[in-house]
Amino acid sequence: ETGVTQTPRHLVMGMTNKKSLKCEQHLGHNAMYWYKQSAKKPLELMFVYNFKEQTENNSVPSRFSPECPNSSHLFLHLHTLQPEDSALYLCASSQVLGNQPQHFGDGTRLSIL
Amino acid sequence: AQTVTQSQPEMSVQEAETVTLSCTYDTSESDYYLFWYKQPPSRQMILVIRQEAYKQQNATENRFSVNFQKAAKSFSLKISDSQLGDAAMYFCAAYSGAGSYQLTFGKGTKLSVIP
Repeated sequence: ETGVTQTPRHLVMGMTNKKSLKCEQHLGHNAMYWYKQSAKKPLELMFVYNFKEQTENNSVPSRFSPECPNSSHLFLHLHTLQPEDSALYLCASSQVLGNQPQHFGDGTRLSIL
Repeated sequence: AQTVTQSQPEMSVQEAETVTLSCTYDTSESDYYLFWYKQPPSRQMILVIRQEAYKQQNATENRFSVNFQKAAKSFSLKISDSQLGDAAMYFCAAYSGAGSYQLTFGKGTKLSVIP
């Protein structure tokens, strides 16, 4: 059983839809991350939160909007996505920012029609 | 900026045999950390092993060990007594913390285990 839970597991949406991805960690960690994993490409870091505050936005388009209401929950709000946004979106957490190992969820497989 | 390169997109190993996955990295920092993560078909990325650059001793975790060659900027993963459950994508990653909290990943190596 993973300490990082992501929902939904799969999501299919049209380009004009609005949806949200949810991530919850039960590990008492203080840092949370969103990654995008596309086929044949390295994992791309999207956002980093530390104690609910965003510390990094890796030049992500504004159609992706993160929200971190507390240290245990992280959301990724999606709006007007493009076909190239189809990917596996992974959430991770770590005890603190920095060199500590990150614990990952199972990801949300997102398909944009 | 740091880079991580995994030159083997796919590898296979016979069950119970040993396999080594290659990884090279580049960073201008003197203090950094290296990781190997495993991603099975279930998709969850799992930490396999972690190495601090300042430590000369190679990290080991049960059947998994690394060959850390700092001068060559090489960080290979050795899996001994391979098991069917070892079949997965393996990602090498580096963290240096130089102005960013980014963990930089390689493209991964797909390991197949042949019964």
